Amino acid sequence: AQSVTQPDIHITVSEGASLELRCNYSYGATPYLFWYVQSPGQGLQLLLKYFSGDTLVQGIKGFEAEFKRSQSSFNLRKPSVHWSDAAEYFCAVGARTGRRALTFGSGTRLQVQP
Amino acid sequence: DVKVTQSSRYLVKRTGEKVFLECVQDMDHENMFWYRQDPGLGLRLIYFSYDVKMKEKGDIPEGYSVSREKKERFSLILESASTNQTSMYLCASSPGQGWTEAFFGQGTRLTVV
Repeated sequence: AQSVTQPDIHITVSEGASLELRCNYSYGATPYLFWYVQSPGQGLQLLLKYFSGDTLVQGIKGFEAEFKRSQSSFNLRKPSVHWSDAAEYFCAVGARTGRRALTFGSGTRLQVQP
Repeated sequence: DVKVTQSSRYLVKRTGEKVFLECVQDMDHENMFWYRQDPGLGLRLIYFSYDVKMKEKGDIPEGYSVSREKKERFSLILESASTNQTSMYLCASSPGQGWTEAFFGQGTRLTVV
């Protein structure tokens, strides 16, 4: 079964600073990979996804993520954080065969300082 | 836009009550899911369904059941609510052909007292 680790529970960055949120997964092959964002009191919104091809994927709101097979990682990045980016971020994996349900990490809460 | 609608944003129920959480999607998706979200634990899969009248257990099905009588509707049932089922519940749907993304509802925050 697949699993996802987000090692950072809480991250604080200053507005305008760069951001990297870490995600490591465990799966026997290359999974489908996702990053979702959840603003307070809201459901989850998809930021970006990786299925195949170019390992650097672009998403909404200026986010990007890079799939590194050798490290089993899919880290999320943003060059300049805005105050509105404060939210909780979830990495998720989906199996290419078998159960068609996402497995989520425990999430990283991002706080943005003015 | 895909819309996944959960019938309640907030619910307060008493211990031992039977609780129904309703979810409707409007995009003719085959797959539907129920997750619960708890601080520090992320989202954990309770049940999912690939088709009408079928269901599969997720990772934490104990104390829950589901019903899918129509393609667009997926209900989560707490047979006898307990305080440890106080949580945020999220419904999601996705198309059946291959993998794209899962679309989420706004969530139902359930408090069992």
